[in-house]
Amino acid sequence: DTGVSQDPRHKITKRGQNVTFRCDPISEHNRLYWYRQTLGQGPEFLTYFQNEAQLEKSRLLSDRFSAERPKGSFSTLEIQRTEQGDSAMYLCASSLGADLYEQYFGPGTRLTVT
Amino acid sequence: EDQVTQSPEALRLQEGESSSLNCSYTVSGLRGLFWYRQDPGKGPEFLFTLYSAGEEKEKERLKATLTKKESFLHITAPKPEDSATYLCAVPNNSGGYQKVTFGIGTKLQVIP
Repeated sequence: DTGVSQDPRHKITKRGQNVTFRCDPISEHNRLYWYRQTLGQGPEFLTYFQNEAQLEKSRLLSDRFSAERPKGSFSTLEIQRTEQGDSAMYLCASSLGADLYEQYFGPGTRLTVT
Repeated sequence: EDQVTQSPEALRLQEGESSSLNCSYTVSGLRGLFWYRQDPGKGPEFLFTLYSAGEEKEKERLKATLTKKESFLHITAPKPEDSATYLCAVPNNSGGYQKVTFGIGTKLQVIP
């Protein structure tokens, strides 16, 4: 069973640059989530996809952030004009079904903005 | 707005010293509660789902319980490999399951 994978695992970028992260969910999971986690905090919800449709976005997701899930498979999260405050672990999770199903997380992408 | 509070924030135990972690929540209409384990630099690993008050689930040295106001994660005779941050989370109650609110976690250290 292949779990959720994320790429890259680590990204160091300079302030003002654009970055893109990829998430490959568990193959049969139709729901995909992005979270952000900073040191000493729990994951904070960013956005959610059901198949290819982005159904919910947090107010944490400024207009510099955009997420896609073409064809309902993998997803990408892009951050434009990165700021130092964007430094965090970006986590992707997927789940199965329309009701209360647990989410399975990937290993995360650690972003450092210098 | 849903709120999840975990205590203590950090806990240091001797190997074999049992204890409990607390998760209290404020939601209008609980639909369930999740427990996760997170190792440093890794994504959270799913442990349990509790669906209703009175429910209990066990896995190795861990046992999770749920009441109408809080959940406990009991750790019996812990080992050093149980050292991790334990997160609880509740799903949003507004008709869907799209959003989950996490607590900040309890960082557990088990000393040999």
